[in-house]
Amino acid sequence: GAGVSQSPSNKVTEKGKDVELRCDPISGHTALYWYRQSLGQGLEFLIYFQGNSAPDKSGLPSDRFSAERTGGSVSTLTIQRTQQEDSAVYLCASSRDSRGGLSYEQYFGPGTRLTVT
Amino acid sequence: GNSVTQMEGPVTLSEEAFLTINCTYTATGYPSLFWYVQYPGEGLQLLLKATKADDKGSNKGFEATYRKETTSFHLEKGSVQVSDSAVYFCALSILTGGGNKLTFGTGTQLKVEL
Repeated sequence: GAGVSQSPSNKVTEKGKDVELRCDPISGHTALYWYRQSLGQGLEFLIYFQGNSAPDKSGLPSDRFSAERTGGSVSTLTIQRTQQEDSAVYLCASSRDSRGGLSYEQYFGPGTRLTVT
Repeated sequence: GNSVTQMEGPVTLSEEAFLTINCTYTATGYPSLFWYVQYPGEGLQLLLKATKADDKGSNKGFEATYRKETTSFHLEKGSVQVSDSAVYFCALSILTGGGNKLTFGTGTQLKVEL
């Protein structure tokens, strides 16, 4: 079946502009994660959604970052007033419900490469 | 907090050479351990995993054993191929109310030459 998809694949924006990144998880996966891959920080967790539960936002680097997940499926990561240090590849992953005490594999999308000029 | 340390790259090997990529971790709790691979131009893929001490994960000729006493999860392959050239990430997760968020190492680039 279809994997995790993300759009756009590349985004170039000017410093100070807002951007929205989209993630379509695998159908039936209730858990969704956002990560960021940057040269300086490596791969780091940003936010986690599980069904209708309150998201775990503990990895968001500043209040300029926010994310939502509508209808338990598609997710949008929004970065307001972008800065050059926001330049990175933003990865989305989805998995089956992990609340039952089992560790399910996370399937990653191809990522969105964000460049802030 | 949780952290993963893996050997610096790049690692350059000849085809059919033996590969070891070292990975050690610190964790508050009992983690599951993973190796992910990122081939050029592709997304992250799970290579193998282990969920408890002494478990051995294996896939595509790669192996790693969960060593709780040394907090390590070293990746090995007996005979690498050019097609194994990629970036390899060691990672851990601890199942909590916050799901299985992954903590990654910095990645090790492997280049295999003929």
